[in-house]
Formats: sequence, structure tokens, C-alpha cells
Amino acid sequence: TQLLEQSPQFLSIQEGENLTVYCNSSSVFSSLQWYRQEPGEGPVLLVTVVTGGEVKKLKRLTFQFGDARKDSSLHITAAQPGDTGLYLCAGRTSGTYKYIFGTGTRLKVLA
Amino acid sequence: GAVVSQHPSRVICKSGTSVKIECRSLDFQATTMFWYRQFPKQSLMLMATSNEGSKATYEQGVEKDKFLINHASLTLSTLTVTSAHPEDSSFYICSASLQAGNDEQFFGPGTRLTVL
Repeated sequence: TQLLEQSPQFLSIQEGENLTVYCNSSSVFSSLQWYRQEPGEGPVLLVTVVTGGEVKKLKRLTFQFGDARKDSSLHITAAQPGDTGLYLCAGRTSGTYKYIFGTGTRLKVLA
Repeated sequence: GAVVSQHPSRVICKSGTSVKIECRSLDFQATTMFWYRQFPKQSLMLMATSNEGSKATYEQGVEKDKFLINHASLTLSTLTVTSAHPEDSSFYICSASLQAGNDEQFFGPGTRLTVL
């Protein structure tokens, strides 16, 4: 069973700090996505990465896909209270069309 | 962007009753829809994949006779929780994809089920 482990599980930081969330697996993924989910809502897609070593930026968020396509990271610069939420990575292996979600990282940014 | 709706958003039912949750793609035709379950403070767990006009594919450990999935049209999939019990209380989320293998899936807002 493929498993995506995210770390840290919980993170509470002050506004303006930087942080990195990791998503690791022993499986190789054909594509990997990052989502943010607010309480009581469905997850919202932030980015999709498909190429090993790929780096994508979305304003203050930087996403990297590992060279071997087994892991990914999300770095947030100068975090703001609006970044608070549950961050989820989701990976899809080749030969399948379903995404398996990571264990999640709950981020709280304090003003 | 594509919009997916779920109905109802919240439902409370008595133990032993059945509950139907609808997932609709409002402005596109979804060949594939996915159903997830999310317990409090946990991640999303894929329950099943449904393709229009065919039987759903269930993940290991998910009882297909308990969680009935019907994907009768390209814009509607339903999940029926039969003979619900308190342990079925959860947040149920669907997502829809234009076609199998498409990277983009659009999530519904979720349905909070509470079984008393």
C-alpha cells in the first residue's frame, strides 16, 4: 500500500516566519499535487508537479518535486494568518488514475 | 473553474437508516468521480472511484454493500450509506474529473454526516 507521510503533522508559527512542509513516500509518482483545506470545506488545489526536480512558485509558496519523484516539499515564505489550514499532498502512480492523499500538515499562523 | 456541488451539506440521521449524498458537476461532464471520507483531524481516505455507466471500484476495506455508489450520468454520482451507524459519522467529499487520467480533479464542498 503506498503511503505518503507528511511532516510535520502540526505547525504553529508566528506571522512573518518561513516554513517547510515535507511529503515523503517510497513510491514513485507520475504526478503529485498539493492542496489546502479549510475546516468544513473541500480541499483546494494549489499546484500539480509532474517532472522530477520541478520547482513551481505560487506567490509566497514554493513547491518542489524530488528528483526521484518520491517526495515533495512546500515552502511558505513570510507566512500570514490567511495561510492557516490543512495542507495535503496527493500522489498518483503511473498506471492508475486515482490520487492517494498524504497524512496532512495542520498549519496555524498566529498574528 | 469547474464547480462541483454536494447535497446535502449536513445530515443527521438515526442509527439504522440510510442516507444518500449527491455529487454534481455543475458546468462540465465528469467521466470519473471519486468519493473520499475524512475523519476529524485526519486526511482524506479514498473510498471508491466511479465511472459513468459502470460499477464503482472500491478501495480495500470499503464495503461495497454498505456504501452504494451510482454514477448514472456524466454530471451526477450518488453515495448511499446503508444502515448507518455512529462509526459512519464522517465528512464525505466527492471530486470530479473530466476524464480518467486527467490530473485535475475538482472537489465538492463536502457533506457532514452525523449518525446518532
